Amino acid sequence: GAVVSQHPSWVICKSGTSVKIECRSLDFQATTMFWYRQFPKQSLMLMATSNEGSKATYEQGVEKDKFLINHASLTLSTLTVTSAHPEDSSFYICSAPPNRADSNQPQHFGDGTRLSIL
Amino acid sequence: RKEVEQDPGPFNVPEGATVAFNCTYSNSASQSFFWYRQDCRKEPKLLMSVYSSGNEDGRFTAQLNRASQYISLLIRDSKLSDSATYLCVVNMYVPSGGSYIPTFGRGTSLIVHP
Repeated sequence: GAVVSQHPSWVICKSGTSVKIECRSLDFQATTMFWYRQFPKQSLMLMATSNEGSKATYEQGVEKDKFLINHASLTLSTLTVTSAHPEDSSFYICSAPPNRADSNQPQHFGDGTRLSIL
Repeated sequence: RKEVEQDPGPFNVPEGATVAFNCTYSNSASQSFFWYRQDCRKEPKLLMSVYSSGNEDGRFTAQLNRASQYISLLIRDSKLSDSATYLCVVNMYVPSGGSYIPTFGRGTSLIVHP
């Protein structure tokens, strides 16, 4: 089945550091990928929709200059948390629909990245 | 009002019990519906899709009521290993983008005890 690989799975770094998270579709092409953030005991909140070859679509309240998304190929989307601060500590997870032609499918998720900013 | 709402629980039930979760959605343009399971500190995993006619997979039964805009998940003969958070997911069509955006409920926590 469709597999989404996310890396790294765990990051601990100092405040002010920029952190890049990669999301790869391993055996399918993904023109669209989704990036979520989940705080403890809360739901997954959609941050942005990553579109291959074009700009990402950000949800209301998500700073596009803070969370840079690049979707340069059909198998890779990256999320960069720029100048991360402790309040950015969270569980970040990506997903993609397995069928490039039909986004009305259940999502396949990466393993998630647990980000801790000291 | 949130687009997808779930009772957060927790539902605390003994092994062997039957438990049901509901999820309501506000957007009538919603197209597809799913239940996911999420274990602590892990990514969500697809449990089952929800079809208009209702569907069953072993001990799990999912139902959709489009008129009332809710979906349900029934778990029979609960096992200890069923303890997890169950997420309701609704794919909503976005005309501007011509695609579907998955929207998550906050999840319902289930604890099955011996």
